Amino acid sequence: GAGVSQSPRYKVAKRGQDVALRCDPISGHVSLFWYQQALGQGPEFLTYFQNEAQLDKSGLPSDRFFAERPEGSVSTLKIQRTQQEDSAVYLCASSLGPDNEQFFGPGTRLTVL
Amino acid sequence: DQQVKQNSPSLSVQEGRISILNCDYTNSMFDYFLWYKKYPAEGPTFLISISSIKDKNEDGRFTVFLNKSAKHLSLHIVPSQPGDSAVYFCAATYSGAGSYQLTFGKGTKLSVIP
Repeated sequence: GAGVSQSPRYKVAKRGQDVALRCDPISGHVSLFWYQQALGQGPEFLTYFQNEAQLDKSGLPSDRFFAERPEGSVSTLKIQRTQQEDSAVYLCASSLGPDNEQFFGPGTRLTVL
Repeated sequence: DQQVKQNSPSLSVQEGRISILNCDYTNSMFDYFLWYKKYPAEGPTFLISISSIKDKNEDGRFTVFLNKSAKHLSLHIVPSQPGDSAVYFCAATYSGAGSYQLTFGKGTKLSVIP
């Protein structure tokens, strides 16, 4: 499809496990964003890439969270030593440029037991 | 500290009537505002936006009004249709952010009753 895709769609992890969430942006989109949406809340910004450069990671809640986009296309959000408070939907969005409309993927629902 | 607030968690409206969804913001630096619509198990989809230099923007059945002095915006849907039933998020951003991140409200769940 032509939209943003994310995998897996659902992930269950035991507390302390590491997880990796993948985002495939729309082809040609320079900008990529990660957001975290806790239950009953709106999405909250985590980090932003322009091509392969991570220009803003001010929203990452702790040093257990790490994101990369090594070739300026696919991005991976990694969470180390998961905690119960990490349970949320993780949304990826991409846009042609930073000023353009952000297109969101369906999200990955992470549940940490 | 919530910079974008949607104080109504839910709203029910009869089909054909007007739906009005409200949003308040506290950060006076915000200069661009957006509404997103979200169905269950899907990501948010862009609906309509407005720049702070305008006070109204219209797109078909959807109109967004901005009152800068009150730091308030609203989304009007006329006429409402059952397919409009979804969660609506208000979002804001400002040029000086550097990363163009969106700041979202908590959302309002709209139910349009046939």
